[in-house]
Amino acid sequence: VLTQSPGTLYLSPGEGATLSCRASQRISSTDIAWYQQKPGQAPRLLMSAASTRAAGVPDRFTGSGSETEYTLTITRLEPEDFAMYYCQQYGSAPHSFGQGTQLEIK
Amino acid sequence: EERLLESGGTLVQPGGSLRLSCAASEFSFSTYVMSWVRQAPGKGLEWVSAISANGANTYYADSVKGRFTISRDNALHTLYLQMNSLRAEDTALYYCTKKRGFIGYDLWGRGTLVTVSS
Repeated sequence: VLTQSPGTLYLSPGEGATLSCRASQRISSTDIAWYQQKPGQAPRLLMSAASTRAAGVPDRFTGSGSETEYTLTITRLEPEDFAMYYCQQYGSAPHSFGQGTQLEIK
Repeated sequence: EERLLESGGTLVQPGGSLRLSCAASEFSFSTYVMSWVRQAPGKGLEWVSAISANGANTYYADSVKGRFTISRDNALHTLYLQMNSLRAEDTALYYCTKKRGFIGYDLWGRGTLVTVSS
């Protein structure tokens, strides 16, 4: 089970964001992904193997973590970054998702 | 450009059946694990099922095990999800996704909406 926190994060453009994903048991860092989803759109892969940015993802997005604690950090928030974010483990099935963190404009 | 296009979603009565399809294009379909992920209205993502590249191995979420069957036709570049004994809680937008090895789910379709209601 993946538990994301906080459920909702209220921040202003230009601020930094820290999103957490905690696993109920150890997960290899090679099996953790982060996705961004905007209203009316399919999710978009942001980060794989915990810390590898997908193609086209700006370097203000950074992934880190190991074992049971993983973090997505966004520095200098841009207006287009306000969205829903999900972590996922994609090693062994089930490839479960966290419940998501909604990043809202304050 | 790589693409996934889902179809087959519709309104169905509880207890009914439905088959979703996902047509893949512009990538080597037969070499990738493929999955279905769903999202109930206003809710988060729920992984549903996955199938190995050659179709020999299938995996299911507990919530659909015994009711849903994933399959693929590599010659037709198409992924399927047979859904039986449908329940109201199966109402969701169903996404077809491609798993790229150690990269994760790097390609998503736009989804097809399944509504289970009388």
